[in-house]
Amino acid sequence: AQSVTQLGSHVSVSEGALVLLRCNYSSSVPPYLFWYVQYPNQGLQLLLKYTSAATLVKGINGFEAEFKKSETSFHLTKPSAHMSDAAEYFCAVTSRRALTFGSGTRLQVQP
Amino acid sequence: GAGVSQTPSNKVTEKGKYVELRCDPISGHTALYWYRQSLGQGPEFLIYFQGTGAADDSGLPNDRFFAVRPEGSVSTLKIQRTERGDSAVYLCASSLIAGASTDTQYFGPGTRLTVL
Repeated sequence: AQSVTQLGSHVSVSEGALVLLRCNYSSSVPPYLFWYVQYPNQGLQLLLKYTSAATLVKGINGFEAEFKKSETSFHLTKPSAHMSDAAEYFCAVTSRRALTFGSGTRLQVQP
Repeated sequence: GAGVSQTPSNKVTEKGKYVELRCDPISGHTALYWYRQSLGQGPEFLIYFQGTGAADDSGLPNDRFFAVRPEGSVSTLKIQRTERGDSAVYLCASSLIAGASTDTQYFGPGTRLTVL
């Protein structure tokens, strides 16, 4: 079975500061990993995905994530937070084509 | 183009009643997924359709839950004898290529089900 663990249910950063959201995965086979963002009262939107082509993946809105097999991690980063980045972020891994999600991290951006 | 749509956006029902939740996937998408998201949790997989058939229904919690996709497009999630524990947001997603783990799943806004 595959699973993901998101460390920190809430993260607060100041506007302009680095954003780091942590995700560790467990998988017996090479995983495919995803980050989704959920804004209030909206559906999940794909930020980026790792499909084994490159370990550093760039996504939308300035986010990127690096796949580190030795650490079983796929942390999400953004160099400079904007107020508009406030949302809930979910890491996910594929499991028989369906996605297995982590419990989410709520990002707050302070002015 | 149009994204995944779900109706109704909100549904309030009484314990023991029957409900149907509808999902309209993106046109041309072969694969369709249902997930359930409880408060404070990530979405949990319920069922996956490849065309008209349910390719994987291992996430359905019990036999009160059933889903159909008779023409390979619109899908309906059906819940019989609803219980208060069924209260959650039910999400639908579709993807272009059935059977491709790397294919992006596009999510609808969800149906918030409240069972009183």
